[in-house]
Amino acid sequence: AQSVTQLDSQVPVFEEAPVELRCNYSSSVSVYLFWYVQYPNQGLQLLLKYLSGSTLVESINGFEAEFNKSQTSFHLRKPSVHISDTAEYFCAVSESSSNTGKLIFGQGTTLQVKP
Amino acid sequence: DTAVSQTPKYLVTQMGNDKSIKCEQNLGHDTMYWYKQDSKKFLKIMFSYNNKELIINETVPNRFSPKSPDKAHLNLHINSLELGDSAVYFCASSWTVEETQYFGPGTRLLVL
Repeated sequence: AQSVTQLDSQVPVFEEAPVELRCNYSSSVSVYLFWYVQYPNQGLQLLLKYLSGSTLVESINGFEAEFNKSQTSFHLRKPSVHISDTAEYFCAVSESSSNTGKLIFGQGTTLQVKP
Repeated sequence: DTAVSQTPKYLVTQMGNDKSIKCEQNLGHDTMYWYKQDSKKFLKIMFSYNNKELIINETVPNRFSPKSPDKAHLNLHINSLELGDSAVYFCASSWTVEETQYFGPGTRLLVL
């Protein structure tokens, strides 16, 4: 069985500062990894995902995440955050050989960007 | 042209009632899901259907019954509502089980 741990429940940061949201996972099989973002009172949107290939994946709005198999981590980073990045961020995994698409989510990290 | 839509957006009801939440996707996806987000924002999958066939049924009370009349719809019926059912319920869909899941806006259920 897989599990996901997001190490920080809240991350306050000033605008234009760098940020890292940490995610560790546990699995005995190969996994796909995802970061989803949830803006207030909205559904989840995919930010980026790792399926295979390059371990560094990027989103269109400046976020990136690196898959580190030895440390079983998939931390999310952004070099300079904006007020509009304030949201809840969820890390998730799914078993790559599964035929169900079942996503296992972490507890979420609230990113609070202050002016 | 909403991709994944849910109705109603808000649902306030009394304990013991039966209610339904509807989900529709116009993306042509084959797979649809229901997730529950509790008051601590923890998300957990409940059900998944692929081409109208149930493929995931997590340890959910049998008061919850999903119904997929066609590939574009996955409705959630809840019998005998309890206080603990209060949560936000999200519907999602994807082309296949490996592809990105697209989420609806959520239905906020409050059981009094």
